[in-house]
Amino acid sequence: QKEVEQNSGPLSVPEGAIASLNCTYSDRVSQSFFWYRQYSGKSPELIMSIYSNGDKEDGRFTAQLNKASQYVSLLIRDSQPSDSATYLCAVNEGGGGANNLFFGTGTRLTVIP
Amino acid sequence: DGGITQSPKYLFRKEGQNVTLSCEQNLNHDAMYWYRQDPGQGLRLIYYSQIVNDFQKGDIAEGYSVSREKKESFPLTVTSAQKNPTAFYLCASSIRDATYEQYFGPGTRLTVT
Repeated sequence: QKEVEQNSGPLSVPEGAIASLNCTYSDRVSQSFFWYRQYSGKSPELIMSIYSNGDKEDGRFTAQLNKASQYVSLLIRDSQPSDSATYLCAVNEGGGGANNLFFGTGTRLTVIP
Repeated sequence: DGGITQSPKYLFRKEGQNVTLSCEQNLNHDAMYWYRQDPGQGLRLIYYSQIVNDFQKGDIAEGYSVSREKKESFPLTVTSAQKNPTAFYLCASSIRDATYEQYFGPGTRLTVT
């Protein structure tokens, strides 16, 4: 059974701080990793994709991937109250099969003004 | 505007009735997916389709049925055999390439009483 694990939180950070969200996965052959943001009552929105080891930066967001440790993280710099949401980590099925993703249960982030 | 639409946004049904949820996309994506989200749980895959006239069961297909007669459309029927149908239903689509990026529609919140 493929698993994607996240701390459910809630994670609270003050406005302007760095929020660090973590995710571990069980399938060693997974090649694609994603972070989705989901506001309460809304659908998930893709905010970051990462495919190779190291860091990938997009604005205030940085995704970090370590395939050897089966670990992916998301850093949010200069956190804003509008970043308050649940962040879902998703990992592809691996093995070259269908484009299926496995999702973690999400980490709820609250940015305190 | 390109995107994924789901209708209706809210749906109320009596127990024992079948109900069909609509999902349409104009992104020219080949693959489409249906997920279910329950409070405090991650997204669980119900059905997916990689090409027209072909679809496969996901992890929780029992009590659900789908069709894929057109590339743009992937309706989901929740049958009376589904034991706990009340949930937030999400449709997604993706290009069939190595990125595995999936994009979600706004969702349908189904309540069965």
